[in-house]
Amino acid sequence: NAGVTQTPKFRVLKTGQSMTLLCAQDMNHEYMYWYRQDPGMGLRLIHYSVGEGTTAKGEVPDGYNVSRLKKQNFLLGLESAAPSQTSVYFCASSYSWWSQGRDGNQPQHFGDGTRLSIL
Amino acid sequence: DAKTTQPPSMDCAEGRAANLPCNHSTISGNEYVYWYRQIHSQGPQYIIHGLKNNETNEMASLIITEDRKSSTLILPHATLRDTAVYYCIVRVLGGSYIPTFGRGTSLIVHP
Repeated sequence: NAGVTQTPKFRVLKTGQSMTLLCAQDMNHEYMYWYRQDPGMGLRLIHYSVGEGTTAKGEVPDGYNVSRLKKQNFLLGLESAAPSQTSVYFCASSYSWWSQGRDGNQPQHFGDGTRLSIL
Repeated sequence: DAKTTQPPSMDCAEGRAANLPCNHSTISGNEYVYWYRQIHSQGPQYIIHGLKNNETNEMASLIITEDRKSSTLILPHATLRDTAVYYCIVRVLGGSYIPTFGRGTSLIVHP
């Protein structure tokens, strides 16, 4: 009953360092998403993927790269971390895109987040 | 974009019904209204969704006005564990299809 698993749960980086956040889902979902959430703010979409081997930009893609080499995994990379990227990162997956299911019943399933601090 | 407007915060006594409003006056005819909630330090959790009819499931009820310009999420017997931020979301207009989470409503259920 894993659902969506994010690794790591916490990380502290220095400015300029790089790292990769891993998201894994075991529900055979086609769609996967990366969001960031800053204090007092809603979730903002960074990148998303509509299937293995495909990725697309969301609202706030700058400074991030993603890859979807395997259907079950969606990786978020920070090549050169900046303090402005301090945030909580959430991964999500869904069978199809939002309300385009047969009756709109294709909600997203979220992981528990990765708390990233950049000093 | 199809925007939603929610009050920033609400409170409710434990055991009472919590009624969370959402305005979505620019919603188009084929857009669904979704509700999610986010309990502190956790990922958002799907609650319910609807198009134009009222909906009910084991978690909540969703009441959508006839003109579809607003909706209300009802937690019939709120518990302390329902304390969370509640997000009302509609599919974005303009073909971008990017779901947008606003700031939501922070619901505090008190004893």
